[in-house]
Amino acid sequence: DAKTTQPNSMESNEEEPVHLPCNHSTISGTDYIHWYRQLPSQGPEYVIHGLTSNVNNRMASLAIAEDRKSSTLILHRATLRDAAVYYCILRLSTSGSEKLVFGKGTKLTVNP
Amino acid sequence: NAGVTQTPKFQVLKTGQSMTLQCAQDMNHNSMYWYRQDPGMGLRLIYYSASEGTTDKGEVPNGYNVSRLNKREFSLRLESAAPSQTSVYFCASTFRGRSYEQYFGPGTRLTVT
Repeated sequence: DAKTTQPNSMESNEEEPVHLPCNHSTISGTDYIHWYRQLPSQGPEYVIHGLTSNVNNRMASLAIAEDRKSSTLILHRATLRDAAVYYCILRLSTSGSEKLVFGKGTKLTVNP
Repeated sequence: NAGVTQTPKFQVLKTGQSMTLQCAQDMNHNSMYWYRQDPGMGLRLIYYSASEGTTDKGEVPNGYNVSRLNKREFSLRLESAAPSQTSVYFCASTFRGRSYEQYFGPGTRLTVT
């Protein structure tokens, strides 16, 4: 599976936007980009996913570079409840693969 | 709906003991997964079941067995526990073809001494 690279940690202030970067220079044309987050002492939860175009949902936005070698998860207004580890994951969209490969993620700290 | 439930929440085993971790989902999902998470690490896939009656190995299957008992339940068995299996175990489920959106249980914290 293609690999992703994320910063180990980031800090933000409450009510400010947060941009979480992810590099995936070995991505192939059929790899989807996923983001999950894991709140303390909980299981991961799905945030957003995309292939080529930017995506928005109620939780966040996903901005994908034109060459698809990087992407950015955008939290428009961080709250204290957004403090979590954020995982950027690639998944093959073909060959029946149903596996997600998690890296170490980025630990986001939100300051009041 | 309870979503994905896991039992037990905590367990301490001695080396060589066996146990089964239970997972059940009430969302009518086809696919189910078992992951382990070691301290400071991301999740690693142990086994998965794309549909009832099928199971496949993930990234770290050694030392584990699984049973997809029915559509709702997917159990993970440690036949002879080792200290290296000390970890937090998560079960997840999703609809087949929608594996991008997996729903996770609360986890089982296992310590092997």
